[in-house]
Amino acid sequence: DAEITQSPRHKITETGRQVTLACHQTWNHNNMFWYRQDLGHGLRLIHYSYGVQDTNKGEVSDGYSVSRSNTEDLPLTLESAASSQTSVYFCASSEGRQGRSEQYFGPGTRLTVT
Amino acid sequence: GENVEQHPSTLSVQEGDSAVIKCTYSDSASNYFPWYKQELGKRPQLIIDIRSNVGEKKDQRIAVTLNKTAKHFSLHITETQPEDSAVYFCAARIYNFNKFYFGSGTKLNVKP
Repeated sequence: DAEITQSPRHKITETGRQVTLACHQTWNHNNMFWYRQDLGHGLRLIHYSYGVQDTNKGEVSDGYSVSRSNTEDLPLTLESAASSQTSVYFCASSEGRQGRSEQYFGPGTRLTVT
Repeated sequence: GENVEQHPSTLSVQEGDSAVIKCTYSDSASNYFPWYKQELGKRPQLIIDIRSNVGEKKDQRIAVTLNKTAKHFSLHITETQPEDSAVYFCAARIYNFNKFYFGSGTKLNVKP
């Protein structure tokens, strides 16, 4: 069955280190998204992509970067991890064609920056 | 950009009662409004959605209403059960763009 996966599921890192979170989907969806979830803030968009080689900044993109070299993957990189980036990160994908709007979420990655 | 506000932040109801969660949006170009349920430690999952050309949609005990003029939409859960306890998120998508703007979530507690 098609799915969307994230790895690692849990990560502890130190301030200043570079961290990459992986997101992989097998639906062949054009659109992929990264969100962070913090108590009281819901889901906030970090970066998104509408296709290969396309990336866009969301509302909380500072300190994060993404690249889209193929349809299946959108890795999220924290260039220099900060304690403020301790959060749960969700990747999502959607087909994006007319009438097919639903976003499917990955299982999430809990990141702790010490 | 779009701004989605969601109320209340927490809601406690007795089993069997109804629950209503309300959201407002700011951009009149928004045309798709999904609702997600997130159980503790799990990923958000779509439970119902509505498009701007429809005023109401029902799926068993769940219904969503949309008032385009007032720019608000609501989730209604009837005959609540303990397994309805979760965090619920509303979202809005602007026409022709595929990114979603989420509300801050409502924690629903259904007491047995």
